[in-house]
Amino acid sequence: DAGITQSPRHKVTETGTPVTLRCHQTENHRYMYWYRQDPGHGLRLIHYSYGVKDTDKGEVSDGYSVSRSKTEDFLLTLESATSSQTSVYFCAISAGDVDQPQHFGDGTRLSIL
Amino acid sequence: GENVEQHPSTLSVQEGDSAVIKCTYSDSASNYFPWYKQELGKGPQLIIDIRSNVGEKKDQRIAVTLNKTAKHFSLHITETQPEDSAVYFCAASMWGKLVFGTGTRLLVSP
Repeated sequence: DAGITQSPRHKVTETGTPVTLRCHQTENHRYMYWYRQDPGHGLRLIHYSYGVKDTDKGEVSDGYSVSRSKTEDFLLTLESATSSQTSVYFCAISAGDVDQPQHFGDGTRLSIL
Repeated sequence: GENVEQHPSTLSVQEGDSAVIKCTYSDSASNYFPWYKQELGKGPQLIIDIRSNVGEKKDQRIAVTLNKTAKHFSLHITETQPEDSAVYFCAASMWGKLVFGTGTRLLVSP
């Protein structure tokens, strides 16, 4: 299995609070991604990173920010969580952007009450 | 942008039967098509992928076919086993951004 660790694995929080999810990789891959998974929608890309301090938006980026200060860590922040952000969040890594497989972590289940 | 449709949403087969899952994509510039298997409580696991310069790829009991003209690709699982039961996702990619189908729940009954 690809060396990807997501933390926490489960979190319950209240509307309006800030939340940060962490993705840590041991593969030294350049590309890292954050997806959310919701019933009926499959997985949708939130943000991605193509190097340290280099990030870009995905399909559903509103309400989320990311940071990557080290190759191995990619953080996803919800500045002020809303109930619509209740979801399962997955991190993925890839060695390249063109035709390269993405490998996923086991996810963080986030519930916002 | 890219749109991927996946059918069927659920598929029930008997052990030993074959299973076929189909996907269509909208953007002819997409050039990479992976398939993932997701078990309960786990992240998606890559099981096979195909690039746009190839029409078919096989790996033991799993095969994927790609028709670029019609913009559709399919996953074929032969001699299904109960451990094949899971949710399967197709995806299409252009420049590393994956767009996923909505998933197929495969149930293999002994």
